[in-house]
Formats: sequence, C-alpha cells, structure tokens
Amino acid sequence: QQQVKQSPQSLIVQKGGISIINCAYENTAFDYFPWYQQFPGKGPALLIAIRPDVSEKKEGRFTISFNKSAKQFSLHIMDSQPGDSATYFCAASTRSGGSNYKLTFGKGTLLTVNP
Amino acid sequence: NAGVTQTPKFQVLKTGQSMTLQCAQDMNHNSMYWYRQDPGMGLRLIYYSASEGTTDKGEVPNGYNVSRLNKREFSLRLESAAPSQTSVYFCASSRLAGVSYNEQFFGPGTRLTVL
Repeated sequence: QQQVKQSPQSLIVQKGGISIINCAYENTAFDYFPWYQQFPGKGPALLIAIRPDVSEKKEGRFTISFNKSAKQFSLHIMDSQPGDSATYFCAASTRSGGSNYKLTFGKGTLLTVNP
Repeated sequence: NAGVTQTPKFQVLKTGQSMTLQCAQDMNHNSMYWYRQDPGMGLRLIYYSASEGTTDKGEVPNGYNVSRLNKREFSLRLESAAPSQTSVYFCASSRLAGVSYNEQFFGPGTRLTVL
C-alpha cells in the first residue's frame, strides 16, 4: 500500500521555467512533509519541509504548497536551472509506535532541466 | 565532520552468502535508519533505531537483521543474500528521537549486487 503518491515520474523543463512536482496522501496522521533532493551517486538531502499548520513555505526558488483538505502538497521550483537536475522525493512523517516516528517516501521524480 | 559514512561502497555477492553493511555517524545523533532504494520504488525503510539500545522493523525487514552497536554505529546484516536484495542501501541518522520534525541525514550509499 503506497501511502504517499508522487507524480510525475519524470519531468523535463527548460532553463528558467517552473518545475512542479505533486504528492498526495491518505493518512491524516501525517504531520510533517519534507522534500529530499538526490543527485546521481549521492544520498538524498533535505531540501525544504512544511508542517500542516501552514499552507505555503518558501526558501529561495523552492516553494512547498500544502492543501490539508485535499491531502496534497507540491514542490515548485522557480527559475529552474540545469544544476537543479536531480531526483526529488516527497515524504511524510508519522508516529510508528510508542514515541517513534518514521518517514514514508514517494517513489521519486527525475527532473531534467535543459540549458 | 564526516557526517554519515557507509562501508563498503560497492559489493557483489553470490546467492546464499552473508555480509554486513556498516554505518557510522559522528553528529551525536540519537536515531539511525536503514533504507533500500530500487528503481521506481523510492526509499523503503528496512529497520530503524530510535535510540541506542532499541531497534524496530520498518516496511521491508524480511531477510535482514540489524545491530545498534553503540550510539555512533548501526549495522545491517544479510544472513543469506538473495537476488531480490540487489539494491542501493542508504543509512541515515537524525538528531532527535520521538520527534516528527526531524531532518534525516543520509550516507553515500552501498551498491549491492546479488548474483
């Protein structure tokens, strides 16, 4: 059962364009929504994250939009650059038992930004 | 600080062989995690350790065992490797235990092939 659905699988954008990646979830117990960026041959690294009590968070060219009622959140990359070419994962955090928490990841989006 | 280190970087095993993947972090983090990454499947949690002395199963624990040797080290053992365990394995750590808003820091990964 996939708890976090991510789309599209791949995305090609021209330099300067806007990249948009979407995620949807069913579990209303999720309470933290990070996005991770992964370059080829490297481990993922946290890019930006949001809590469900806000509808938008912006850090530089990266923005998360969060729609709690629709159970959807998305990553927007403004003025996309070739250096943004990477795989992006959305994730959601929930309590896994006792006081432990764990992340559930989407399947990833391969972003290619053409020069 | 080296962050999260993993050894080996690459490994080829024959079906039925055993091996241990090593992970260490030097950030004094409490929680540590093992994930596997397969094409089109995202990151799936194998086991995690919320704090020293505790370990718990994740989404795909079958065929694996773990040991939280001390606060720094968390190893993953394959007792009898199978071709289905061919994957890239990532270790991660996070500073806090029992908190949802908790950035995970990933190692560079171990690429394992089981023939």
